[in-house]
Amino acid sequence: GAGVSQSPSNKVTEKGKDVELRCDPISGHTALYWYRQSLGQGLEFLIYFQGNSAPDKSGLPSDRFSAERTGGSVSTLTIQRTQQEDSAVYLCASSLGTANQPQHFGDGTRLSIL
Amino acid sequence: QQPVQSPQAVILREGEDAVINCSSSKALYSVHWYRQKHGEAPVFLMILLKGGEQKGHEKISASFNEKKQQSSLYLTASQLSYSGTYFCGTVPGSARQLTFGSGTQLTVLP
Repeated sequence: GAGVSQSPSNKVTEKGKDVELRCDPISGHTALYWYRQSLGQGLEFLIYFQGNSAPDKSGLPSDRFSAERTGGSVSTLTIQRTQQEDSAVYLCASSLGTANQPQHFGDGTRLSIL
Repeated sequence: QQPVQSPQAVILREGEDAVINCSSSKALYSVHWYRQKHGEAPVFLMILLKGGEQKGHEKISASFNEKKQQSSLYLTASQLSYSGTYFCGTVPGSARQLTFGSGTQLTVLP
């Protein structure tokens, strides 16, 4: 595809439910990042995948959050037992490799917890 | 540690110039700049690597002072399309990922 694709674009769910957010990076991009952006706020790093290396999970806010990347391509961010403070836009980005390559962002998933 | 951006917001008229600053408490290897329009994804503007270089993109340029761990984004003769939130992202020497600042909201009025 031409760009980073994220789905769903919007997700409304009840508190306590689990949600899965999907990211399909640009073909050939070995690095994949997840960020969270609350309303009017900056970009909060969550997790980073690079090739076959162990992911950098240092930004995950709690053990309710997890992510995986299958086959070095598509990634899924899972939030278990959602809380209202999880409401935000979740952005995925991919890049060619190192931190000194431009990151290309998807349009994000807007998550609303009722 | 999150870089500090200033100002938090700026309003200017079309054709005016603006400067956005980004500073870090850590030694930096590189600085990224992105622009995000309301309701859209951030878009990459430029990367500056250590060495104090200056880069340009249309009438938008940036500098990186490695010794001061600071970068500045210069918007010259601003256009309405420049409106948005500008984020700097810093990469300390040992890091593998970006840490973004809190953003500077730029509004260009006709």
